[in-house]
Amino acid sequence: AQKVTQAQTEISVVEKEDVTLDCVYETRDTTYYLFWYKQPPSGELVFLIRRNSFDEQNEISGRYSWNFQKSTSSFNFTITASQVVDSAVYFCALRGGNRDDKIIFGKGTRLHILP
Amino acid sequence: EAGVAQSPRYKIIEKRQSVAFWCNPISGHATLYWYQQILGQGPKLLIQFQNNGVVDDSQLPKDRFSAERLKGVDSTLKIQPAKLEDSAVYLCASSSPDTGVGTDTQYFGPGTRLTVL
Repeated sequence: AQKVTQAQTEISVVEKEDVTLDCVYETRDTTYYLFWYKQPPSGELVFLIRRNSFDEQNEISGRYSWNFQKSTSSFNFTITASQVVDSAVYFCALRGGNRDDKIIFGKGTRLHILP
Repeated sequence: EAGVAQSPRYKIIEKRQSVAFWCNPISGHATLYWYQQILGQGPKLLIQFQNNGVVDDSQLPKDRFSAERLKGVDSTLKIQPAKLEDSAVYLCASSSPDTGVGTDTQYFGPGTRLTVL
């Protein structure tokens, strides 16, 4: 069975601090896809990144970076120099490589950036 | 490019009443999804359409929930009759396959927040 665990339910940091959101996944598939979504108070899930299981290169996009480590089944997300606008719930998600596979979401981490 | 549209944004009903939600996906996206997101949880897939055909409805409570996508574009999700535990945000998403299986990225609408009293 596939599973996504986001152990941090809620995190608060002061603006400009760096913060890392943890994501641990379980799957027996050799091909799979990992995602991060942001859900601001408006409710819409905003796509941030998709990662294939065969590409372990870390990725940086502005203040956002992602660390994918297959050895520990983790796909962590770091925000550098956090801003108040980063306050949201962040979801990590997993999808298997088979055509019928659903995307499975973690329970999310609520991030508060304090001014 | 316009995003996924949903309406209404909020709905309050009493238990045993009926309710319907509407979704208009991103233009050209063949795949449409309905998710249920209970407070404090991640979204859970209810049903997936490919054009106007159902791909996966294994987690849809079919005794009370129904969905259709008649012309392969807009979709409606209905609950009849509603129960207290149906209180949740109902999210619609759409996607267009990039290359290969599983690579398509889903884009979400703002959701409909349903409260059942």
